Amino acid sequence: KAGVTQTPRYLIKTRGQQVTLSCSPISGHRSVSWYQQTPGQGLQFLFEYFSETQRNKGNFPGRFSGRQFSNSRSEMNVSTLELGDSALYLCASSIGGQGLTDTQYFGPGTRLTVL
Amino acid sequence: GDSVTQMEGPVTLSEEAFLTINCTYTATGYPSLFWYVQYPGEGLQLLLKATKADDKGSNKGFEATYRKETTSFHLEKGSVQVSDSAVYFCALSENQAGTALIFGKGTTLSVSS
Repeated sequence: KAGVTQTPRYLIKTRGQQVTLSCSPISGHRSVSWYQQTPGQGLQFLFEYFSETQRNKGNFPGRFSGRQFSNSRSEMNVSTLELGDSALYLCASSIGGQGLTDTQYFGPGTRLTVL
Repeated sequence: GDSVTQMEGPVTLSEEAFLTINCTYTATGYPSLFWYVQYPGEGLQLLLKATKADDKGSNKGFEATYRKETTSFHLEKGSVQVSDSAVYFCALSENQAGTALIFGKGTTLSVSS
């Protein structure tokens, strides 16, 4: 079974630009979550999508947004990039059913550098 | 808000030594608790989990017990190996699906032979 895939793996952008990252979950998984990992703040939850609806949201500004498609693939978008947005962005997928504490499977991440 | 605090690293041990990595949490409800591990050059992977008080999660010789009275979920292993060298993250989830994880800052473990 293929794991979680994220594209691109590396990205360099300049301040003020916007960026879109993509995540393909494990087949059959309907929940996709996004996390930001930085040396200073560690791993922080951005948002979770389930069946094309945002189910949970972390404490990030509105510049960070996401969506999920009918095939469960997800994208996240960051607009008006700031230097502090430089991070490893991780995507995780799980089956997503309620009443079941799923295992989340993480992808390798997209390394975003903002210059 | 909810939070997870784990001991600062790095933790440096010799092979076959006993390992403890402390983790405490603050939560409004009754969260599920997790340990994730990130081996060098690899992605995050679930090591073990516990979903209610007094549950013990175990995997690959690692154990952790959900202690509600002390709000703790300490990770232990009786005899570490060089291959256990990695970064370990304690995490909690307040929702039933176990998503929207809140992570600790991570503890780097280095095991030498």
